Parts: sequence; structure tokens; C-alpha cells
Amino acid sequence: QVQLQESGPGLVKPSETLSLTCAVSGGSISPYYWSWIRQPPGKGVEWIGYISNIGRTNYNPSLRGRVTISLDTSRNHFSLTVSSVTAADTAVYYCARQQDLVWFDSWGQGTLVTVSS
Amino acid sequence: QSVLTQPPSASGTPGQRVTISCSGSSSNIGSNAITWYQQLPGTAPKPLIYSNNQRPSGVPDRFSGSKSGTSASLAISGLQSEDEADYYCAAWDDSLNGWVFGGGTKLTVL
Repeated sequence: QVQLQESGPGLVKPSETLSLTCAVSGGSISPYYWSWIRQPPGKGVEWIGYISNIGRTNYNPSLRGRVTISLDTSRNHFSLTVSSVTAADTAVYYCARQQDLVWFDSWGQGTLVTVSS
Repeated sequence: QSVLTQPPSASGTPGQRVTISCSGSSSNIGSNAITWYQQLPGTAPKPLIYSNNQRPSGVPDRFSGSKSGTSASLAISGLQSEDEADYYCAAWDDSLNGWVFGGGTKLTVL
């Protein structure tokens, strides 16, 4: 049973860069896609982007230009950076395993990131 | 404004059957599979239905999904108090080249 665990700072200052890592255990990075998804407090869910097991990325157009997702297969983890953050980036950030373009079958527990000075 | 449209709320009494709708377009639901997620308070979304009507291992058969054209539905039969949660639909969108979600439906068990 694969498990995903997000980690990173819970507080980021406006205009700075948010960085999170998702550790994957109990399973291999291949042959899946790996996504980041976020949920502002009290609001709905928004897909941020994904990276494939061979490093191909795809990002939500609304965030493109500020988001980078990278993969470290040797350490079985993948990462998210969001630059120039504002209060609107305050959210619970989830990492998830994506089965092709079909569904997100495993999710991390989520980590709250607050953007505030 | 979410790309997929869900009613903000739904309710039912224990034992009742409830349906939650999800409306999209030809570029998402109309051409790709729909997935449904259940989110209990303070927890991550959990997959309930994938590929329109498939249940992951461990999901009770009280939960079922269907799709017709550019709309989809999640049905919950034999409603239980533990079904009180937020429910989200999701699909790949060919035009946006990304995943789109519904705004979520808050299900209350009266």
C-alpha cells in the first residue's frame, strides 16, 4: 500500500517561494504520474500540476509560470515550488498518485501552508 | 467558478437514496472518465468512484456512479450518518489540458 507524506514550511512570507516535498513509500515512482493539489480553507479543490515518472510536467494554466514540480527517483520523492506567493496561495497542499489520466488513487494527508508576513 | 458544476448542498435521512450531480462539457465529462471523491472533515479526499462507475477496493457498493453525455451522477443508497461529507467530481479536460474539479457538494444526513 503506497503512502504519501507532504513536508515543508507551514508559513511563507508574501512574494517569497513556497517549497514542499512529497515522500513516497511502499511503492515505486514508476509507472505513475505524481500530482500536487491544493484546497484553500473552506473552499474547493484545485489541481496544481503533475510530473510523470520520466519527468514530463504539466501545470494548471492559472498557475503556469509560478509553479515547478520536480522528481527525485533515487530518493522516491517529488517536490513543488510556487514562486511569488500571495495570500491567495494559502491552502492545504496535497500530493497524490495519479493513475494515468484516470484518477488520483492515493493521497497524502495534506499540509497547511499559510502566506503571511 | 469551477469548470464542473455541482449543487452546493444535498441532504437525506438515514436509509434514503441520495444523488449528487456533476455537469461539465464536451471537453471534460463528454470525452473523459469522471471520478468522485469523498472528503470527511479535516481529511484528504478519498476516491469513491473512478472510470465513471468503478469502485476502488474497500468502497461499499452503496456508492455508485453513472455518466451520460456531459453530465454525471453519484448515487448513495442506504444513507448512513458517516456519509456526511463533502463530495467532489473530477475529470481531465482536453481543452485546458489539465484536471478540473467540481466545486463540491456538502451532504448532510438529517
